[in-house]
Amino acid sequence: QKEVEQNSGPLSVPEGAIASLNCTYSDRVSQSFFWYRQYSGKSPELIMSIYSNGDKEDGRFTAQLNKASQYVSLLIRDSQPSDSATYLCAVNDDSSASKIIFGSGTRLSIRP
Amino acid sequence: EAQVTQNPRYLITVTGKKLTVTCSQNMNHEYMSWYRQDPGLGLRQIYYSMNVEVTDKGDVPEGYKVSRKEKRNFPLILESPSPNQTSLYFCASSSLGPLYQETQYFGPGTRLLVL
Repeated sequence: QKEVEQNSGPLSVPEGAIASLNCTYSDRVSQSFFWYRQYSGKSPELIMSIYSNGDKEDGRFTAQLNKASQYVSLLIRDSQPSDSATYLCAVNDDSSASKIIFGSGTRLSIRP
Repeated sequence: EAQVTQNPRYLITVTGKKLTVTCSQNMNHEYMSWYRQDPGLGLRQIYYSMNVEVTDKGDVPEGYKVSRKEKRNFPLILESPSPNQTSLYFCASSSLGPLYQETQYFGPGTRLLVL
């Protein structure tokens, strides 16, 4: 069974600091990696996607991918209270290009 | 407005009573998918569809059926619901699918309780 593992948290970070969220995956040949944010009672929304090894930056968010170590991380700089949410890591299942596997999510709390 | 709609948003039913949750998108997306979300288990994919009349199983398809007769609609059918299907269900769509790093747009969710 292919898996995507995340620490469930809660991860508590002071406002203005960097929040670091980590995710490991078991499928060595996965190609597409996603971070979704989900506010309580709401639908998931895409924050970042990454395809290649290295870093990808978008505003305050940076996704980092290391395929050799099979992990993907999300850094949130200058954390704001509005960043408090559950962050879901997702990976495409290479056995079928159209399948996607989600982790159970990390709950992030930004304290003022 | 581009959106994915689901109906109903909330549903309480009894074991064995067939039900359908509808999903519709107005973005002309090829790919549609159903997920269930349970505490501590994250989102698990039930079924997905790459195009009209093309559907395939996700990780947890048992007890569910889907159909894709039109591009915009992707209903989820529970022929004989059981209490273990009590969950929060999300429908999602994207232009081509997860391999192409595209955003999936999620519907608002349907909260189902099976007694």
